[in-house]
Amino acid sequence: EVQLVESGGGLVQPGGSLRLSCAASGFTVSSHWMHWVRQAPGMGLVWVSHIDSNGFNRLYADSVQGRFTISRDNAKNTLYLQMNSLRAEDTAVYYCARGNTYYDFWSREYYYMDVWGKGTTVTVSS
Amino acid sequence: DIQMTQSPSSLSASVGDRVIITCRASQSISTYLNWYQQKPGKAPKLLIYVASSLQSGVPSRFGGSGSGTDFTLTISSLQPEDFATYYCQQSHSAPFTFGPGTKVDIK
Repeated sequence: EVQLVESGGGLVQPGGSLRLSCAASGFTVSSHWMHWVRQAPGMGLVWVSHIDSNGFNRLYADSVQGRFTISRDNAKNTLYLQMNSLRAEDTAVYYCARGNTYYDFWSREYYYMDVWGKGTTVTVSS
Repeated sequence: DIQMTQSPSSLSASVGDRVIITCRASQSISTYLNWYQQKPGKAPKLLIYVASSLQSGVPSRFGGSGSGTDFTLTISSLQPEDFATYYCQQSHSAPFTFGPGTKVDIK
């Protein structure tokens, strides 16, 4: 069964750090783009970061650039999000999601997130 | 960054109703548009990708259309399990922005 399971969330003080993990099963993370998406309480979905299948292309939302780092361990088939200098506005449920690609007749690539974990909650508060 | 808007922000409907949700991009995104469904306390679920392709396992009462800047998600006959929040998302360019969501609840 294809599955993603996040862990590592918790309560942290402003300025602190956390590392989120996303363990994959049923597929290989290094064969897919992988994403982190967050959702603040009562709010909508916000894309945070992704890493491509090669591991070379890592992008971040402006709001976390320079503070968060996405990575993966191919041997453990696990995605990570290292979060430093945490702020109250980082409080959210963090989801990891598998990226998938559709190729049209002209070999154009279309990206979407087809498998999601259940999320892990991060609370930044003193 | 590409901004996504959705309308309405919420709607009330009855079982059996036809429901249409619209999504607009701040610039042309061709058909780089996905739709997700989210129920309270649950992870999002992919419904539609590339604007109109139905994800495997998703009921055929869900349909997507549009290209460029204007898109629609249609539920042809609303079922009890469809009461949820629906998000569009563009995958044309990073950041892969989501719309603010449309909450569908019971009339």
